[in-house]
Amino acid sequence: GQQVMQIPQYQHVQEGEDFTTYCNSSTTLSNIQWYKQRPGGHPVFLIQLVKSGEVKKQKRLTFQFGEAKKNSSLHITATQTTDVGTYFCAGKRGSNYKLTFGKGTLLTVNP
Amino acid sequence: DVKVTQSSRYLVKRTGEKVFLECVQDMDHENMFWYRQDPGLGLRLIYFSYDVKMKEKGDIPEGYSVSREKKERFSLILESASTNQTSMYLCASSLSPTGADTQYFGPGTRLTVL
Repeated sequence: GQQVMQIPQYQHVQEGEDFTTYCNSSTTLSNIQWYKQRPGGHPVFLIQLVKSGEVKKQKRLTFQFGEAKKNSSLHITATQTTDVGTYFCAGKRGSNYKLTFGKGTLLTVNP
Repeated sequence: DVKVTQSSRYLVKRTGEKVFLECVQDMDHENMFWYRQDPGLGLRLIYFSYDVKMKEKGDIPEGYSVSREKKERFSLILESASTNQTSMYLCASSLSPTGADTQYFGPGTRLTVL
């Protein structure tokens, strides 16, 4: 079945350092979504990428979708303590109802 | 704002009990999903429903069943709870598979089976 691999599993940074998490799918995706889950919270939608090579920015967050629509990345510039949480990618294939989630990257930030 | 609510934040049950987890969404969404979340395993899809009375198995349906009698409500049933079903259960809803299919999650139910 479809798999979405996400690395790294954990990342600890000093406040102000950059952070990147990567997702790779075994199959071509129709879109990829990113979610953030704060400690003790539930996943909250961040963004959706649909087009090959698409790049979107939200303040200090930059999201990319690969040319082959099989990989994606989330980059945070100059992390802050408010960025702490687990970041999940989730891929959708064709018109399938399902999203397949990566296992997530837990980001901790040392102030 | 979309609101997804779950009947309990914490639940403790005994092995062999029948357990009902309820989820309600207030935005007339077509699709509803049940996931379980375990450390190191991420979110795994148990069942989903794309219409009233319609359901499909996800990746880990064994030991679970679901019910969707009304559009806004999606129930997860553990027929005979076992200790390996101790987990965080998350419900989600989305508008449609071909449109804006962002998933909106409820707060989760942390189930402990003793």
